[in-house]
Amino acid sequence: AQRVTQPEKLLSVFKGAPVELKCNYSYSGSPELFWYVQYSRQRLQLLLRHISRESIKGFTADLNKGETSFHLKKPFAQEEDSAMYYCALSGRNTDKLIFGTGTRLQVFP
Amino acid sequence: DAGVIQSPRHEVTEMGQEVTLRCKPISGHNSLFWYRQTMMRGLELLIYFNNNVPIDDSGMPEDRFSAKMPNASFSTLKIQPSEPRDSAVYFCASSLWLEATDTQYFGPGTRLTVL
Repeated sequence: AQRVTQPEKLLSVFKGAPVELKCNYSYSGSPELFWYVQYSRQRLQLLLRHISRESIKGFTADLNKGETSFHLKKPFAQEEDSAMYYCALSGRNTDKLIFGTGTRLQVFP
Repeated sequence: DAGVIQSPRHEVTEMGQEVTLRCKPISGHNSLFWYRQTMMRGLELLIYFNNNVPIDDSGMPEDRFSAKMPNASFSTLKIQPSEPRDSAVYFCASSLWLEATDTQYFGPGTRLTVL
């Protein structure tokens, strides 16, 4: 079955601390993984995708097929990173996204 | 481009009433998605269309829910009759899908409260 698991509903850190938002997936085949973010009073938007292999706003995520994980990391959290983060999964030849339940990141000053 | 447009932004209704949510995708996009967001279940895909044709409606919770896309620039999600457990934020998203998964662009959502 296709599934995305985000085990933490809430993650609270202080400014400057490292952040890791966990995401594990279940998928038979070659998945495409994404992180979407929803800042307060803004629309849900794409943060990054694994095929791009890029760092956005200091965030990176590496697809680990052995551990079926796609954790989102940032070495030094900023207050403006506070938001709801969703990990999402898709497969080839489909544009259907399967989302995890989301993790709310709170960064305290 | 104003992005994906949804209306209304807020809807409060009483149990048993019909609710219609509307979505205008980004011009030129050929895929449209309806999601429901709740605290307990996060973001769930209800149904999606490609070139106005429903591709996957396996996420539609029950027969009370229906969705249509009569043309490339408009879609509706209807709940009839509505129930309190339908209270949630409903998002519409669109994308331009050619051969690979493309970015989905989300609307601002409709917050539905069923009393």
